[in-house]
Amino acid sequence: QVQLVQSGAEVKKPGASVKVSCKASGYRFTGYYMHWVRQAPGQGLEWMGWINCHSGGANYAERFQGWAMFTTDTSTGTAYMELSSLKSDDTAIYYCARSNGLGTYFDVWGQGTLVTVSS
Amino acid sequence: EIVLTQSPGTLSLSPGERATLSCRASQSVSSTSLGWYQQKPGQAPRLLIYGAFIRATGTPDRFSGSGSGTDFTLTISRLEPEDFAVYYCQQYGRSPPLTFGGGTKVEIK
Repeated sequence: QVQLVQSGAEVKKPGASVKVSCKASGYRFTGYYMHWVRQAPGQGLEWMGWINCHSGGANYAERFQGWAMFTTDTSTGTAYMELSSLKSDDTAIYYCARSNGLGTYFDVWGQGTLVTVSS
Repeated sequence: EIVLTQSPGTLSLSPGERATLSCRASQSVSSTSLGWYQQKPGQAPRLLIYGAFIRATGTPDRFSGSGSGTDFTLTISRLEPEDFAVYYCQQYGRSPPLTFGGGTKVEIK
């Protein structure tokens, strides 16, 4: 079946970087976009940006430009989100979610990865 | 950036009652670009409605979406125990940023 499986929880110190993976299965990986969405504890959903899994082109929400990076490995069908210079308020659950193009909804979501930033 | 404002923040209802959730946009949103998601505690969001009124695969027909322009509504005709959750609207137009509303929590009264 179609699914996105994310890597496990991470604990990082302020200033460090984190890289979260999202492995796709059950569909043609390069035919879709992958979005990244985060959710701080007890808060709502925040869209971080997308990556075109075919071309590798990416678009970042303004506040994540320069410190988030999205990549893909088409040989394994895996998308990655790396966030650098972590601060305590980056503590959140990070989700990947696919869409089959721009201007379309997110029909499949990963289970989420909790990233905790604490000294 | 299109800001989505959901109301009310919390809706306290009993099973069997009707729930009406509102999503208001700061500027006009194409109906094809408006969706609703359900999120239960400890789970990822799940797509319920896309294109403002089209039920996603597996969405029960007690869920319905409506609206256009800047005002959209999600209605749950008769609440079932499994419907108590947080609901988010989202605009996913071609021009970034994509945005979510702040959410409406439907809780048991």
